[in-house]
Amino acid sequence: AQKITQTQPGMFVQEKEAVTLDCTYDTSDPSYGLFWYKQPSSGEMIFLIYQGSYDQQNATEGRYSLNFQKARKSANLVISASQLGDSAMYFCAMREYGGFKTIFGAGTRLFVKA
Amino acid sequence: EAGVTQFPSHSVIEKGQTVTLRCDPISGHDNLYWYRRVMGKEIKFLLHFVKESKQDESGMPNNRFLAERTGGTYSTLKVQPAELEDSGVYFCASSQDSGGYEQYFGPGTRLTVT
Repeated sequence: AQKITQTQPGMFVQEKEAVTLDCTYDTSDPSYGLFWYKQPSSGEMIFLIYQGSYDQQNATEGRYSLNFQKARKSANLVISASQLGDSAMYFCAMREYGGFKTIFGAGTRLFVKA
Repeated sequence: EAGVTQFPSHSVIEKGQTVTLRCDPISGHDNLYWYRRVMGKEIKFLLHFVKESKQDESGMPNNRFLAERTGGTYSTLKVQPAELEDSGVYFCASSQDSGGYEQYFGPGTRLTVT
């Protein structure tokens, strides 16, 4: 069965520093996609970044990058130059390629300190 | 382009009452999904519509939950009768095609059952 594990319930980072949010996953399917979503206090889920299982390079979107280590089944999110507005809940998620059911981790709450 | 909208944003009801949540997907999106996050747990898939047809409702917790999508546009999720354990945040998402990697999430409805 598919599973996403986020072992950090809460993280603190100083403004302007980089932070890594951990995510490991488990699946027997060779084709899948990995996602990170941000949920600020307002509640909406914001898509941040996507990594396909066959992608050779790590995905990057602005200050977000995904450190994809397929053999270790990890998909850590790296946020560079943290901003106060990055304070939010972050969810790692996975979906089979071509599938529709997204599996989520428990989330990591990030606090950015001024 | 308007995003996924959900109504109400917050609902407080007593145990035994009925509540209906509404989701309006992005215009033109045939696929609509319901997820929920019970306090402190992962976001869980509930069901998936393609137009007005239910493709997968394996995540629906029990028969107190009824989802409909008449006409293939907006969807409703009714909980009747509500129980304390139904409290949580209910998210709706939509996508243009089920094979695509991006599901656009709404802001969620926070349901509190007292």
